[in-house]
Amino acid sequence: QKEVEQDPGPLSVPEGAIVSLNCTYSNSAFQYFMWYRQYSRKGPELLMYTYSSGNKEDGRFTAQVDKSSKYISLFIRDSQPSDSATYLCALKTNAGGTSYGKLTFGQGTILTVHP
Amino acid sequence: DAGITQSPRHKVTETGTPVTLRCHQTENHRYMYWYRQDPGHGLRLIHYSYGVKDTDKGEVSDGYSVSRSKTEDFLLTLESATSSQTSVYFCAITRDSNTDTQYFGPGTRLTVL
Repeated sequence: QKEVEQDPGPLSVPEGAIVSLNCTYSNSAFQYFMWYRQYSRKGPELLMYTYSSGNKEDGRFTAQVDKSSKYISLFIRDSQPSDSATYLCALKTNAGGTSYGKLTFGQGTILTVHP
Repeated sequence: DAGITQSPRHKVTETGTPVTLRCHQTENHRYMYWYRQDPGHGLRLIHYSYGVKDTDKGEVSDGYSVSRSKTEDFLLTLESATSSQTSVYFCAITRDSNTDTQYFGPGTRLTVL
């Protein structure tokens, strides 16, 4: 079983739809949660970062963390064709020392928003 | 991403040949990482560095070595390339030590024939 599970999709929605992207994880030591967006043939770019359970909003994007269920979500409101990309969740434990910065990624969900 | 460059951006090589990929940063960050990205596997950590000459293995380090003789450069070497190492390779840095978030370079697309 993978430490982080993410439905690869592909997911296709009409412009203006609300998109829900999700990851589940098995390791309760994960404390930091990130979402990256990756356009085709580009490097991943950081979209959202959260540390605790609850919601964090940034414009049309909302990241949600439920540590009790080991479940994280990214919601995109009023989706646009420019949101078409692969979205990857990334998790990190609180380990320090030489484990600093080591991320565990989901395999990514391919999203297409059509006009 | 501004501040992180990778070279070459594309490379085609033959099985058994050595290959070196370079990651260069202009921001003097301490932590640097090499990942590979393959369909169905997402991003997997190969090696990382926490300072000059300080490196450690990630989850898929077999067949790879790294070196960091200067803060700004992190080299990934495939001593004898195999077809299973055909992949897209990304370098990343930790830019903010408070949040420990990583920022990625543009990637190198490597094909081993």
